[in-house]
Amino acid sequence: AQSVSQHNHHVILSEAASLELGCNYSYGGTVNLFWYVQYPGQHLQLLLKYFSGDPLVKGIKGFEAEFIKSKFSFNLRKPSVQWSDTAEYFCAVSAWYTDKLIFGTGTRLQVFP
Amino acid sequence: GAVVSQHPSWVICKSGTSVKIECRSLDFQATTMFWYRQFPKQSLMLMATSNEGSKATYEQGVEKDKFLINHASLTLSTLTVTSAHPEDSSFYICSAPSGANSYEQYFGPGTRLTVT
Repeated sequence: AQSVSQHNHHVILSEAASLELGCNYSYGGTVNLFWYVQYPGQHLQLLLKYFSGDPLVKGIKGFEAEFIKSKFSFNLRKPSVQWSDTAEYFCAVSAWYTDKLIFGTGTRLQVFP
Repeated sequence: GAVVSQHPSWVICKSGTSVKIECRSLDFQATTMFWYRQFPKQSLMLMATSNEGSKATYEQGVEKDKFLINHASLTLSTLTVTSAHPEDSSFYICSAPSGANSYEQYFGPGTRLTVT
């Protein structure tokens, strides 16, 4: 069975600091990888996705993620966070043949001015 | 972008009653929709896959007789929590894949259920 783990449960940063959130998955086959963000009181929004091709993907709001197949990882990065990035971040995985998403436990990011 | 709506956004019900939650794809058709449950400050747990015109597929550990799913049209799926109990109180979220961009999903805003 697939599973997704996010090692950082709660991250606190000051504005302009760099961000990296870890995501590891377990699945032996080809996967589709996603990062979603949930701002306070809002619904989930897609930040970025990886299906195939260049393992470094860029998403909205200056976020990027790198797929490292050998490490089963898909870490999210942003060089300089803003206060408005305060939110819950979820890594999600689906097997290549399905739309069914398995979510990680989420990382709460707090950015202070 | 594609929009998924849920109704109601918040519902309070008494223990033992049933509650129906609707999930609609507003500007696209969805033969499949997904229902998730999210506990406070926790992740989304996939409950079931709703299939238009056929039975839903439930994840292991989810009681299909308690969480009834009906996907009667290409734009509407409903989740009915039957004989609700306080432990069913949670945030229920639906999603639908967009056919135009396969494997991408659009999420509804969620429905907060409180059972007293």
